[in-house]
Amino acid sequence: EIVLTQSPATLSLSPGERATLSCRASQSISRYLAWYQQKPGQAPRLLIYDASNRATGIPARFSGSGSGTDFTLTISSLEPEDFAVYYCQQRSNLPPFGGGTKVEIK
Amino acid sequence: EVHLVESGGGLVQPGGSLRLSCAASGFTFPTFWMSWFRQAPGKGLEWVANINQDGSDEYYVGSVKGRFTISRDNAKNSVFLQMSSLRAEDTALYYCARKTSGADWYFDLWGRGTLVAVSS
Repeated sequence: EIVLTQSPATLSLSPGERATLSCRASQSISRYLAWYQQKPGQAPRLLIYDASNRATGIPARFSGSGSGTDFTLTISSLEPEDFAVYYCQQRSNLPPFGGGTKVEIK
Repeated sequence: EVHLVESGGGLVQPGGSLRLSCAASGFTFPTFWMSWFRQAPGKGLEWVANINQDGSDEYYVGSVKGRFTISRDNAKNSVFLQMSSLRAEDTALYYCARKTSGADWYFDLWGRGTLVAVSS
């Protein structure tokens, strides 16, 4: 069973700053990782799949990188609507999720 | 516009049963795998179950095996989650979601969820 560990648990930043979120897998998962954004009271939204591919309609300020066990979601310049919780998910028919990183306004 | 709308949540006693429904619109429902997820209050996302296009293949997370059953009705563009022997730890917001097409196991369309509370 693959375990995904996200860090940090909380990231306190100001609008316009760069956000760097990490997701580490307990064993290699190649590039089979997705990132989701969830705002309070809303359903998750797929941002990135296969580590670095932006989903339809996702702004270019969101980018993903990594392979093997270490993955990163970068938001190049935080917009007010980007403050949310972000989850990583391994591509699997029994899909595990990371515990989430909350990006909050500093 | 594509939509998923869940219903059927509510308050149920431990040991009780509940049937969740998810109505799909705006896309060719019979061609997609569908899934249920849940999120306990203040917690992260947990996958619960998957069902393939014709309902002949299902997967479940270990904690619900033997208690929950996923099913679908392609004529009604709906997917269901029959939950029995409910426990306090099943309390959560339950989402249905659509798996991306092809071999990828990602989820590109989600409903807004229906709340299940298990308490005496």
